This record gives sequence, structure tokens and C-alpha cells, in this order.
Amino acid sequence: DSGVTQTPKHLITATGQRVTLRCSPRSGDLSVYWYQQSLDQGLQFLIQYYNGEERAKGNILERFSAQQFPDLHSELNLSSLELGDSALYFCASSEGAAVNALPPYEQYFGPGTRLTVT
Amino acid sequence: LAKTTQPISMDSYEGQEVNITCSHNNIATNDYITWYQQFPSQGPRFIIQGYKTKVTNEVASLFIPADRKSSTLSLPRVSLSDTAVYYCLVGSYNTDKLIFGTGTRLQVFP
Repeated sequence: DSGVTQTPKHLITATGQRVTLRCSPRSGDLSVYWYQQSLDQGLQFLIQYYNGEERAKGNILERFSAQQFPDLHSELNLSSLELGDSALYFCASSEGAAVNALPPYEQYFGPGTRLTVT
Repeated sequence: LAKTTQPISMDSYEGQEVNITCSHNNIATNDYITWYQQFPSQGPRFIIQGYKTKVTNEVASLFIPADRKSSTLSLPRVSLSDTAVYYCLVGSYNTDKLIFGTGTRLQVFP
């Protein structure tokens, strides 16, 4: 158990719909990351938040958005869903954010949310 | 961010040592090398991280030659539970982004 929780575990929805995935980081961790894992594309970094602020952006579609709240939990919003959005969505957390002269922080991954778009 | 190349898959038997090599020819001076393990339908899990020479923890060893253009993850005496995908990542000190490649699918047989 990594200490990172994600809800829901499974989500089935139709094309065109909007869903919200939720992540609670490990106690004390300030950074939250979102990743998408689909069969044909592997694990893709989407976005990172650090202490409520967006810190890094990856291959996140404009239909997707995220935020980190004052209690440090994070939500990933996916809208206008397409069949190709079906994937496992992982949230990870780490103690801090990258700082010069320090190695990258270890990231702790949650169990994931499996999204199926029909 | 440096691109990494790993074998797509490897097979081993219980009790053997497994070495997975990762190539990262354009690694930058400040990049660290990190390995993650992922079981089916679970999130990746950190295994080990290093900058140069050799790093060892209770799970694995990481060998990094002087030129740092490659690295080798060594798993001593693997068991069936080590069957997983292993990812090699090269990360810079000033970014937290983890760029996962295709990883190496390790299958351990009894």
C-alpha cells in the first residue's frame, strides 16, 4: 500500500460525457502527478501540481483539466470523452518538487482508476 | 529528457540473477537514473535510483559505468513474484516529469 488513494476504482461511461477522478496523496506529500496508461501508448505523464500550483505539464489534452485543492487532494476532469480515452489513470505523489542539485523525488503511485468509455 | 532503450522482454527462472540493461546515450550531466517496477493493473513502484558507479538496496543493485550512457538493474535470485514490467527512467534534477518508455517485461518461470 503506497498511501495514495484514488477513487473510483472503475468507471464506465459513454462518449461525450464528463467524469472526475479523485486522488488523495500520501500524508505530507505536496506534489501530485497524473499519468495515463493505455495499451497502445504505455504510461504517459499528464500533469503535476505542487502545493496547489501547476508545476509541469505533459501530454494532457485540452479536454482534460486538473487541480489541487488546499487540502492537497487532486482531481482530474475529463470531458467530451472519446473511446480512445479508455485507460488506466494513475495518480502519484511525492514529498516535494524537484530542486536544483537534488535527485528527482521518489513517486508513490496509487492503485489507479480504470476508465472505460463506451 | 534523455531517451532510454531497454529490451522488450526477458525470461528467467526462479533463483537466477537477472540483469536488465538500459541505454541512455544522451544522458545529461545532471540526470539521475531511476528504475520502477509495475505489476499488472497496479501503479509503478520505485525500485532504485543512482547517479554513478553502483547503488545497492535490499531489493536490487544498479550499476552505472563511468560514461553513464547505460545502466544495469540487477535482481538477485528472482522469484515468481518478480514477474513484472521494469522501467528505466532518466530524470533531470530540475524536473519531476517521469518519462516512461515501453519497459522490459520480465517473466520468471518456476
